[in-house]
Amino acid sequence: NAGVTQTPKFRILKIGQSMTLQCTQDMNHNYMYWYRQDPGMGLKLIYYSVGAGITDKGEVPNGYNVSRSTTEDFPLRLELAAPSQTSVYFCASSPYTEAFFGQGTRLTVV
Amino acid sequence: KQEVTQIPAALSVPEGENLVLNCSFTDSAIYNLQWFRQDPGKGLTSLLLIQSSQREQTSGRLNASLDKSSGRSTLYIAASQPGDSATYLCAVSGVTSGSRLTFGEGTQLTVNP
Repeated sequence: NAGVTQTPKFRILKIGQSMTLQCTQDMNHNYMYWYRQDPGMGLKLIYYSVGAGITDKGEVPNGYNVSRSTTEDFPLRLELAAPSQTSVYFCASSPYTEAFFGQGTRLTVV
Repeated sequence: KQEVTQIPAALSVPEGENLVLNCSFTDSAIYNLQWFRQDPGKGLTSLLLIQSSQREQTSGRLNASLDKSSGRSTLYIAASQPGDSATYLCAVSGVTSGSRLTFGEGTQLTVNP
């Protein structure tokens, strides 16, 4: 069972560069989420989606964009990377209640 | 705005001890509460989910309780083992937000052999 798969696992980005963090799930869940976790902190919601074609902002959306063209995939786009975006990014999916998380992408912006 | 607080931030105990981790939340209008385990450099593993209508859930040596009216939950770990060493995160979802979660900052647990 693959569950929620995130790629890449690690990435170093230069200031001003752009990248897409990939997330795919094989559980046919309608709900998908992107969170970021800064050192020693809990997770904060960036964006979420309640189904294909529907996305909405979470608590900390600035500097990010998302799309949801299929049920399975929910990529997170970083435009013009900044040092403040250095963090660990987690994707999650849910049938509605319980959330299932990927292994995370550790991103460093230098 | 919902806020979740976990106390203590860190805990170190000898193997075999029973321990309690605490979680409090400011808005009692929750849909459910989840406890997660996070190992260093890893993702989150769901341990227990308590619906708002429930008072507790048990899984093996773990027992989570929920007192919605007072905005508190506890995670009880019986007979702790070195393999229990990890960060434990508490998260709540609101009545209208499904599994959109608000997290606490976690309790870092170390169980010493």
